[in-house]
Amino acid sequence: GQQLNQSPQSMFIQEGEDVSMNCTSSSIFNTWLWYKQDPGEGPVLLIALYKAGELTSNGRLTAQFGITRKDSFLNISASIPSDVGIYFCAGHISYTGANSKLTFGKGITLSVRP
Amino acid sequence: DTGVSQDPRHKITKRGQNVTFRCDPISEHNRLYWYRQTLGQGPEFLTYFQNEAQLEKSRLLSDRFSAERPKGSFSTLEIQRTEQGDSAMYLCASSLKRDTYEQYFGPGTRLTVT
Repeated sequence: GQQLNQSPQSMFIQEGEDVSMNCTSSSIFNTWLWYKQDPGEGPVLLIALYKAGELTSNGRLTAQFGITRKDSFLNISASIPSDVGIYFCAGHISYTGANSKLTFGKGITLSVRP
Repeated sequence: DTGVSQDPRHKITKRGQNVTFRCDPISEHNRLYWYRQTLGQGPEFLTYFQNEAQLEKSRLLSDRFSAERPKGSFSTLEIQRTEQGDSAMYLCASSLKRDTYEQYFGPGTRLTVT
């Protein structure tokens, strides 16, 4: 089945720094989404991307839908302690008899040092 | 708060017992999804409903699992004869049909099978 690859598993940054994370796939995706999950809670939708090359911002977060449709990037600028959490990319592929399920990566755990 | 709600938040049960979880979606959302998440992994799709119709089931959903959405509003997920491998976080999400990929998650039900 389709798989989304996120690496590294963990990232450690200093408060105030920018951080970029990416998500890659061997398959083409039509939609990319980024979610953040805090311990013991459900994922929270951050950004949705629908078009190859699209660049979308949500506050200090910026995400891009890769031109090849096989990758996506998330950038967090000027990190703050509450950015700590697990960041998941998710994607959807449309095909005949389309379903609505999302495929998720394994997530990247972000730690922010004050 | 009009987000997705799930009940209970935590459930501990003995192997072989049956458990049932409830999900209340965002009120105007006609699509409802169940996902399962284990430690260190992203959510994995189990099944989804459009209104009261169950439109897709994953191969992960063994015959011990059943989900219903009788009136197209709340949904229940039942696991019969629980096994230790069923221990996971069970997440519910909802969306509008027209924005089906923008899925909003509840806080999850953490199941521990002893």
